[in-house]
Amino acid sequence: QQQVKQSPQSLIVQKGGISIINCAYENTAFDYFPWYQQFPGKGPALLIAIRPDVSEKKEGRFTISFNKSAKQFSLHIMDSQPGDSATYFCAASDAGKSTFGDGTTLTVKP
Amino acid sequence: DAGVIQSPRHEVTEMGQEVTLRCKPISGHDYLFWYRQTMMRGLELLIYFNNNVPIDDSGMPEDRFSAKMPNASFSTLKIQPSEPRDSAVYFCASSRTGFGEQYFGPGTRLTVT
Repeated sequence: QQQVKQSPQSLIVQKGGISIINCAYENTAFDYFPWYQQFPGKGPALLIAIRPDVSEKKEGRFTISFNKSAKQFSLHIMDSQPGDSATYFCAASDAGKSTFGDGTTLTVKP
Repeated sequence: DAGVIQSPRHEVTEMGQEVTLRCKPISGHDYLFWYRQTMMRGLELLIYFNNNVPIDDSGMPEDRFSAKMPNASFSTLKIQPSEPRDSAVYFCASSRTGFGEQYFGPGTRLTVT
């Protein structure tokens, strides 16, 4: 059973634009929602994370919006740069065990 | 800190051979996770340990897969016998608390011919 659904599968954005990636979950026991960034040939690296007691978290150009009632959360990348081109994974954790979305390949065109 | 260390980085083996992947977590991290990444199935959690004890191995695909953590600084994932469908990138990750961020290693790219 797919517990974390991520969309879109791929995204192309112009430099300076806003990139938006969405995730939806089913298990209400999830208590930690991280986003990971992965470059080719590298392991995923934590980008930003949120807990369900807040609705938004911002770190630099990256913002997570969290809607607990809808069981959805999203990543917004403001002023997208070519260096942001990577694969992004959302995840949801329950007691330390993480379930990952299928990933979104972001391409930022110069 | 050197981060999570995995070896080898690449492994090519023939079907039927035994494969052992190794991981050294970040010092002080009590949780260790093994993941498998493929295009078809994405990033899958295979097993995770807390204080060297396996907590959840429900993601281990078959009895051919086994994992051990003999001490806080070392873990192995073994596949015996290996099959072509085991070809994937295997990641090890560690976490201080298990309820926060996970630090991933660079991965081992396994190819079984």
